Amino acid sequence: ETGVTQTPRHLVMGMTNKKSLKCEQHLGHNAMYWYKQSAKKPLELMFVYSLEERVENNSVPSRFSPECPNSSHLFLHLHTLQPEDSALYLCASSQVVAPETQYFGPGTRLLVL
Amino acid sequence: AQKVTQAQTEISVVEKEDVTLDCVYETRDTTYYLFWYKQPPSGELVFLIRRNSFDEQNEISGRYSWNFQKSTSSFNFTITASQVVDSAVYFCALSEANAGGTSYGKLTFGQGTILTVHP
Repeated sequence: ETGVTQTPRHLVMGMTNKKSLKCEQHLGHNAMYWYKQSAKKPLELMFVYSLEERVENNSVPSRFSPECPNSSHLFLHLHTLQPEDSALYLCASSQVVAPETQYFGPGTRLLVL
Repeated sequence: AQKVTQAQTEISVVEKEDVTLDCVYETRDTTYYLFWYKQPPSGELVFLIRRNSFDEQNEISGRYSWNFQKSTSSFNFTITASQVVDSAVYFCALSEANAGGTSYGKLTFGQGTILTVHP
């Protein structure tokens, strides 16, 4: 495995479902990020974890709940989402000492019905 | 507040043409980083270049070159002799830096420019 991987790559869920997105990095990094990419909008930073501690929550609704159990794994738990939450969710990782250089995963394309 | 503007929503060129992607940014910080990322159809963002605000030297990497002009707050990206494989969405991004000159890692992205290179 190389780089940053994300599973699943595609997800369709109803508004009452609970699902989780998984991100795993194999780069020895110690900071991880969740971004949301909606159609016709710039990428938006959602959460930042540095050394497994959440250091940034960019005004994200509570229906998105991140979890970082160790420096290699990052989850995004989803519950009672809205159709407008449909987007590409990208995970990234970096070294804490070089957070400006982030490596991205392929993303999970989420559709909320 | 930081802002990145990529005025070109879509660009279409024929193979071997040169193409320049524009990026204009706004920040009140004196120390910051600028980036370009490529997003191919597979979805992942591929890091292309990082430039810090104190280094205005232009950079060339193969067919890619970047022109950083602080006076106009621009960081333009040129692909020389474009190829079909260059077709992707290209994002310009900005990251603020702290007093020590390191980034907080909070990237502000532009809207992206869709580049299509036809054979």
